Amino acid sequence: KNEVEQSPQNLTAQEGEFITINCSYSVGISALHWLQQHPGGGIVSLFMLSSGKKKHGRLIATINIQEKHSSLHITASHPRDSAVYICAVSLNTDKLIFGTGTRLQVFP
Amino acid sequence: SQTIHQWPATLVQPVGSPLSLECTVEGTSNPNLYWYRQAAGRGLQLLFYSVGIGQISSEVPQNLSASRPQDRQFILSSKKLLLSDSGFYLCAWSGQLNQPQHFGDGTRLSIL
Repeated sequence: KNEVEQSPQNLTAQEGEFITINCSYSVGISALHWLQQHPGGGIVSLFMLSSGKKKHGRLIATINIQEKHSSLHITASHPRDSAVYICAVSLNTDKLIFGTGTRLQVFP
Repeated sequence: SQTIHQWPATLVQPVGSPLSLECTVEGTSNPNLYWYRQAAGRGLQLLFYSVGIGQISSEVPQNLSASRPQDRQFILSSKKLLLSDSGFYLCAWSGQLNQPQHFGDGTRLSIL
């Protein structure tokens, strides 16, 4: 069993839909990261959080430390949100353990 | 502002040939540096990380090596490439412990 599990693996949505991507982990962590990988391969860090909730524009990330679970929400989704979203956790070091990603496609 | 440069963007190499991928960071000093590989259809895997010049930690046994000859330069090398070395290689940096990592644009390596 992977230490970081994401669901769903693939997700399609119509423009404007509310999207949720889930991440569960099985180890004690110091922080959880949400990353976005565009078709060209480049990766952008979206959020790093260790408790509660963070919001940036239409993106919201939440984490429940007791349940070892995090969610990434996208409100009013848009085709430009199409990408692979990756959950990663860091232990008490800078080394990250990655999930396998969720491929999101948003259609107009 | 800090920037990270990684090159080349794509590379096609024959089996048995050497490899050198370079990554440089600007606008910060003493960064933590990382090399990751993403094999086709799989998640990112940490290959090497470095907390300072000449300090390299290897995460998985493999055909690759890394070096950090200068504070903001991180090089991924191989003396003889294998077919299994194909993949997408990403360099990243972070400032301090538990800070976000910032990724380069990646190198897509194909071995023929």
